[in-house]
Amino acid sequence: EIVMTQSPATLSVSPGERATLSCRASQSVSSNLAWYQQKPGQAPRLLIYGASTRATGIPARFSGSGSGTEFTLTISSLQSEDFAVYYCQQYNNWPRTFGPGTKVDIK
Amino acid sequence: QVQLQESGPGLVKPSQTLSLTCTVSGGSISSGGYYWSWIRQHPGKGLEWIGYIYYSGSTYYNPSLKSRVTISVDTSKNQFSLKLSSVTAADTAVYYCAKSVRTWFDPWGQGTLVTVSS
Repeated sequence: EIVMTQSPATLSVSPGERATLSCRASQSVSSNLAWYQQKPGQAPRLLIYGASTRATGIPARFSGSGSGTEFTLTISSLQSEDFAVYYCQQYNNWPRTFGPGTKVDIK
Repeated sequence: QVQLQESGPGLVKPSQTLSLTCTVSGGSISSGGYYWSWIRQHPGKGLEWIGYIYYSGSTYYNPSLKSRVTISVDTSKNQFSLKLSSVTAADTAVYYCAKSVRTWFDPWGQGTLVTVSS
């Protein structure tokens, strides 16, 4: 099973600032990585797939990069609605596995 | 726009079987090309993929749960279901259903909390 790790566990950012979240896989997952956003009491929402392709309706301030074992989600200018928990998920191997999440909160 | 909605008991006794149903609207499970998944989230924790089913009935389960999981599909009702046997407190979680192409998951249902307690 591929183990996904994310850092930092919590990221405190001021509105308007840039946020950079990291995700690491225990072995290469090529570009088979997705990112999700989850707000309290809600289901996760797909943001990015293929490591860098934004899902339908996702604002351009969200961008993904990386391949192999190292991935980054960048939010270029944080809006109030972006404060949430972000998860990465690999779909290169079975079973599909998720990272433990990074909580982005208000500084 | 496909929407998914989970339903089922919110409380299950230890050693019993957890049963949930996901109703799909806005699209047909039988249209093919998509895989219908169950994912759970322990309180305050991360996400765990449980398994998926294709409309034909073929399934794939997470090996960590495989011995206790059954996922089935009812195309006439546009629903798929989860059964998890011999539950313990460790199975207390929010259970989500989701659509997939065997890759990422999108969209998700709103989730339903299942508590295992006597």
